[in-house]
Amino acid sequence: DTGVSQDPRHKITKRGQNVTFRCDPISEHNRLYWYRQTLGQGPEFLTYFQNEAQLEKSRLLSDRFSAERPKGSFSTLEIQRTEQGDSAMYLCASSTGQGSHYTFGSGTRLTVV
Amino acid sequence: AQSVTQLDSQVPVFEEAPVELRCNYSSSVSVYLFWYVQYPNQGLQLLLKYLSGSTLVKGINGFEAEFNKSQTSFHLRKPSVHISDTAEYFCAVSDPAYSGAGSYQLTFGKGTKLSVIP
Repeated sequence: DTGVSQDPRHKITKRGQNVTFRCDPISEHNRLYWYRQTLGQGPEFLTYFQNEAQLEKSRLLSDRFSAERPKGSFSTLEIQRTEQGDSAMYLCASSTGQGSHYTFGSGTRLTVV
Repeated sequence: AQSVTQLDSQVPVFEEAPVELRCNYSSSVSVYLFWYVQYPNQGLQLLLKYLSGSTLVKGINGFEAEFNKSQTSFHLRKPSVHISDTAEYFCAVSDPAYSGAGSYQLTFGKGTKLSVIP
């Protein structure tokens, strides 16, 4: 169990630029989640994959956001035309299923300037 | 809809004193409950979880929590805190009935910052 890896750890970008984050889940975990955590708040659900299928998306996920998990392994989260309000910690987590706790990655901290 | 209320945003406590971090949830009948800890600039680490069975749940680092269905609470306790317990603690709920696609997504509270004073 090597844990959930996220890359990069930190990203500073100018408003209007596109950014992409990567998440490598625990290999035997078929469920993968993206959460967003803003300052002073708990994490908020963005989207969920079971294997390669994206089965659920939060209304927080505007059309500037897109997530993929092409082969049911790693996942990417892309934000197009970034805005200052996108500044947050983006957390990835994986799990094996019902009732199972998540294993979270260390997150990618995005700062939009 | 499911929601979680953590009643205290900050809790200062002296080293070796007991602590209780409060959590109330709003959801349907059957829920899963979790407590996570987050150290600065890191992800979340599971402390303990309640899925079913005994209402008293023991976790890592000497923490425990009690599920109270009638009061819809899941308070976290530790009898004697250490400096190393200084962190932010999040209560979370997962309601199978709330997840249409079976995601078992977590809804988190806003967190409680525990500061242990030497």
